[in-house]
Amino acid sequence: NAGVTQTPKFRVLKTGQSMTLLCAQDMNHEYMYWYRQDPGMGLRLIHYSVGEGTTAKGEVPDGYNVSRLKKQNFLLGLESAAPSQTSVYFCASRERVDEQYFGPGTRLTVT
Amino acid sequence: AQRVTQPEKLLSVFKGAPVELKCNYSYSGSPELFWYVQYSRQRLQLLLRHISRESIKGFTADLNKGETSFHLKKPFAQEEDSAMYYCALSPAGGTSYGKLTFGQGTILTVHP
Repeated sequence: NAGVTQTPKFRVLKTGQSMTLLCAQDMNHEYMYWYRQDPGMGLRLIHYSVGEGTTAKGEVPDGYNVSRLKKQNFLLGLESAAPSQTSVYFCASRERVDEQYFGPGTRLTVT
Repeated sequence: AQRVTQPEKLLSVFKGAPVELKCNYSYSGSPELFWYVQYSRQRLQLLLRHISRESIKGFTADLNKGETSFHLKKPFAQEEDSAMYYCALSPAGGTSYGKLTFGQGTILTVHP
């Protein structure tokens, strides 16, 4: 039981490049979330999903897209990366009534 | 919209001293409050939630609706308590879908 895993762990992008971050959970959770963590700002919700095939915007969705084609996976895409998207990205999942379980994070640098 | 404020970015105490990490919130409805902890090189994990009213690793937190606070306390800090602590809020009810609003975080350092 791996819990929540994230791929990749680290990535460096140049401005304008695109990439996809993968989050996978093996707990059969309905809800999944993507947050970004920035110094002095805590974690902020980017997008979330309440079930397979559904997605919704969080607090800071601009510049990101997401997809939840399979219940266990939640993908976060950056179509044209900007330096302001340099951050640590965390994925989390939870059952309908439970705590959120977090992944180990992906450290992204955009130069 | 809800907001969570942790006024202390850094907090240093000596081993055995009491520690209090402050958390204030603003939300017009009925909130659920949480404390999450992130130890060095580990993932974020739930420390405690107000509805369970339990003590975890010696930590307690009481929801004070009058002062809109949810401060985290421990009477005798240990070196292994050194970590980043986040206070978080989720609106109660199914339509919130468990979304969390986090505070800015407090780095606690416990010196030997």
